[in-house]
Amino acid sequence: EPEVTQTPSHQVTQMGQEVILRCVPISNHLYFYWYRQILGQKVEFLVSFYNNEISEKSEIFDDQFSVERPDGSNFTLKIRSTKLEDSAMYFCASGGTGLGEKLFFGSGTQLSVL
Amino acid sequence: KQEVTQIPAALSVPEGENLVLNCSFTDSAIYNLQWFRQDPGKGLTSLLLIQSSQREQTSGRLNASLDKSSGRSTLYIAASQPGDSATYLCAVRHGNNRLAFGKGNQVVVIP
Repeated sequence: EPEVTQTPSHQVTQMGQEVILRCVPISNHLYFYWYRQILGQKVEFLVSFYNNEISEKSEIFDDQFSVERPDGSNFTLKIRSTKLEDSAMYFCASGGTGLGEKLFFGSGTQLSVL
Repeated sequence: KQEVTQIPAALSVPEGENLVLNCSFTDSAIYNLQWFRQDPGKGLTSLLLIQSSQREQTSGRLNASLDKSSGRSTLYIAASQPGDSATYLCAVRHGNNRLAFGKGNQVVVIP
């Protein structure tokens, strides 16, 4: 079965630093997402991306965050000036050609901000 | 705002018993509902997707039902095995382009 690939699996950074989380979605998918899960809490939506632009973002996704699809295969989440509360597991997901299709999630990047 | 609740939060069953996991959601205007499995520290594995027009979906030992009008879904796992031990997440896709997740049912199957 096709997979969504995320790198790195773990990232440790100092507060105030910038991090870039990387994802390779499934190749023929058109919809891309970032979600995060703070330890012990629900998985929560950050942003969706379609046709090379953000289609929706949550209240969490403020100016500190940005997404990019730089080369047609990678999908990145950049977090500028990280804060302690950004520590979480970040999941990338991709969906097919329609909103009603199944979402496939990557194995996540565990981000720890010290 | 869509709220998703999963009951029970945790359960332990002896191997061979059937598992029944419940999910409820507050807004019945959903596109679909998806059940996922999450192993500790790992990603989400999609198990079943039920469209809003469907009543149930089956895959092997797994069966998921959907009662959209009452805002409920149930995941049945027949003849549980120790390898079924994991957290099971329910997620609904609703009016906008996002999934709303429950907190999960943490399952332990005792050999």
